[in-house]
Amino acid sequence: AQSVSQHNHHVILSEAASLELGCNYSYGGTVNLFWYVQYPGQHLQLLLKYFSGDPLVKGIKGFEAEFIKSKFSFNLRKPSVQWSDTAEYFCASGRRFGAGTRLTVKP
Amino acid sequence: DTGVSQDPRHKITKRGQNVTFRCDPISEHNRLYWYRQTLGQGPEFLTYFQNEAQLEKSRLLSDRFSAERPKGSFSTLEIQRTEQGDSAMYLCASSLAGVSGLRNTIYFGEGSWLTVV
Repeated sequence: AQSVSQHNHHVILSEAASLELGCNYSYGGTVNLFWYVQYPGQHLQLLLKYFSGDPLVKGIKGFEAEFIKSKFSFNLRKPSVQWSDTAEYFCASGRRFGAGTRLTVKP
Repeated sequence: DTGVSQDPRHKITKRGQNVTFRCDPISEHNRLYWYRQTLGQGPEFLTYFQNEAQLEKSRLLSDRFSAERPKGSFSTLEIQRTEQGDSAMYLCASSLAGVSGLRNTIYFGEGSWLTVV
């Protein structure tokens, strides 16, 4: 069965720091990878997705992710975080979601 | 509003009662999913439909849970004889399978909170 692992449970950063959230997936078939964000009190929103092509994908709000097939990884990055990025971030492979990483950005 | 809508948004019920949630997907989407989410956890996949056919059910979906999508449009999730452990957010989502570039992007509704007392 597919599974998704997110390495960090809670990340605390100061504004302007760089962000990288880890995600590893187990499924070796068709690639359907996603990052979703859930702001406090809001529903899940799609940040970015990868199906094929350029392994570096850009999403909304300055986020990007890199697909590394050999490592079964799809890490999320942002060069400079803002206080408004405080949220839960979920990696997904197809229908399966990771447990999420809570990001707290200190002003 | 053409997003995924769920009803009711909040439900408080006594243990042992039955509850039903409804989901209306994005109109042109052929796949519909149900997930459960508890605080601090990611969405746990429960089941999904393609049109009216239920194609996969998670082991998490006990025999007290049943989902239907009779006409391939809206769906219902019923929980019978609720238990306190059923307290969670029940998320519905939909997607359009098979279209290049949009393949399997899942769009979520705002969820239905269930509290079993």
